[in-house]
Amino acid sequence: DAGITQSPRHKVTETGTPVTLRCHQTENHRYMYWYRQDPGHGLRLIHYSYGVKDTDKGEVSDGYSVSRSKTEDFLLTLESATSSQTSVYFCAISESISGQYNEQFFGPGTRLTVL
Amino acid sequence: DAKTTQPPSMDCAEGRAANLPCNHSTISGNEYVYWYRQIHSQGPQYIIHGLKNNETNEMASLIITEDRKSSTLILPHATLRDTAVYYCIEGSKSTFGDGTTLTVKP
Repeated sequence: DAGITQSPRHKVTETGTPVTLRCHQTENHRYMYWYRQDPGHGLRLIHYSYGVKDTDKGEVSDGYSVSRSKTEDFLLTLESATSSQTSVYFCAISESISGQYNEQFFGPGTRLTVL
Repeated sequence: DAKTTQPPSMDCAEGRAANLPCNHSTISGNEYVYWYRQIHSQGPQYIIHGLKNNETNEMASLIITEDRKSSTLILPHATLRDTAVYYCIEGSKSTFGDGTTLTVKP
């Protein structure tokens, strides 16, 4: 299995508080992604990174920010958590984003509950 | 947003072949089709990908139509452990639809 860890694995927080989720990889892959998955639905891309300090928005980026100061770490921050952000968050990594190669390896997920 | 289209659910008898279809009519000429599956609440797992030719690996086979607008993932001898949600995505778009929930029955 690809070396991807996510922390914390579970978190319960209150509306309005800031939350930071961490994704850590040991594969030295260039690309990292954050997705959210709501019950009964597929994954939706929040943000992704194509290198240190290089990030871009996905389809559901409102209310989220990211940072990548090192190749191995990609942080997802909810500045002021809302109940609509209750979800399971998955991190993924890949070696290339080109059409020729986009095999993504996923982390175990973080279950976030915002009360 | 360009998305793939998959049936929401399918059943398959244990030991039989499972054929999962996907329409990807917006795929561009140099983009691969990728298939993943997600078991329970785990992170998705890569299965296979292809461009034009049919592909086979230890997990599955992938049949892509000549016009590349659709493909079929084949699990040749489905087992109970293949029960999962299966997603196909277009190349680098990273857009996962709702996938197909495959239930393998004894």
